[in-house]
Amino acid sequence: DSGVTQTPKHLITATGQRVTLRCSPRSGDLSVYWYQQSLDQGLQFLIQYYNGEERAKGNILERFSAQQFPDLHSELNLSSLELGDSALYFCASSVVREPEAFFGQGTRLTVV
Amino acid sequence: AQSVAQPEDQVNVAEGNPLTVKCTYSVSGNPYLFWYVQYPNRGLQFLLKYITGDNLVKGSYGFEAEFNKSQTSFHLKKPSALVSDSALYFCAVRDVDAGNMLTFGGGTRLMVKP
Repeated sequence: DSGVTQTPKHLITATGQRVTLRCSPRSGDLSVYWYQQSLDQGLQFLIQYYNGEERAKGNILERFSAQQFPDLHSELNLSSLELGDSALYFCASSVVREPEAFFGQGTRLTVV
Repeated sequence: AQSVAQPEDQVNVAEGNPLTVKCTYSVSGNPYLFWYVQYPNRGLQFLLKYITGDNLVKGSYGFEAEFNKSQTSFHLKKPSALVSDSALYFCAVRDVDAGNMLTFGGGTRLMVKP
């Protein structure tokens, strides 16, 4: 168990809908990262937050947004969903003094 | 920009034999390098990292990796494979001078046969 918790584990929704994925980082970790894993794109970095502020942005679509709250948990919001958004979405967290990130078990999103 | 290449989609090895999973990287600055493993329907588990120092780093479950700066490689190795090592392995790089996010390779599926 990495200590990173993601909910829900599975999500099935229809095209055009909006969903929110939640992540609780390891205790004390200030950085949260979101990644998307799909068969054709592999593991893609989406966005990073550090202590509530956006720190880095990757290949995140405009339909997607994220935030990190004062208690350090993070949410990834996906809107106007398309079939191609079906993927595993991972959250990871890390501390400043250690370079490795620890991953949650992911949320499998299926858009039908 | 940083990138990682894992040239083999799949590696097959017999149980008890040594295994190598290859990884090469490209960064503009100094790299931090990592290996992660993913079992079916699970998240990525951290195996080991290279930051600085000894080129041979040891990690979890008997895995080790060798950093080669001249060849920009970071191959994952294990002296004796187990069937339970069968999984998807990802190499990742973080450019020390370019932020904290990890860039992953495409993954290599390791199949260990009894």
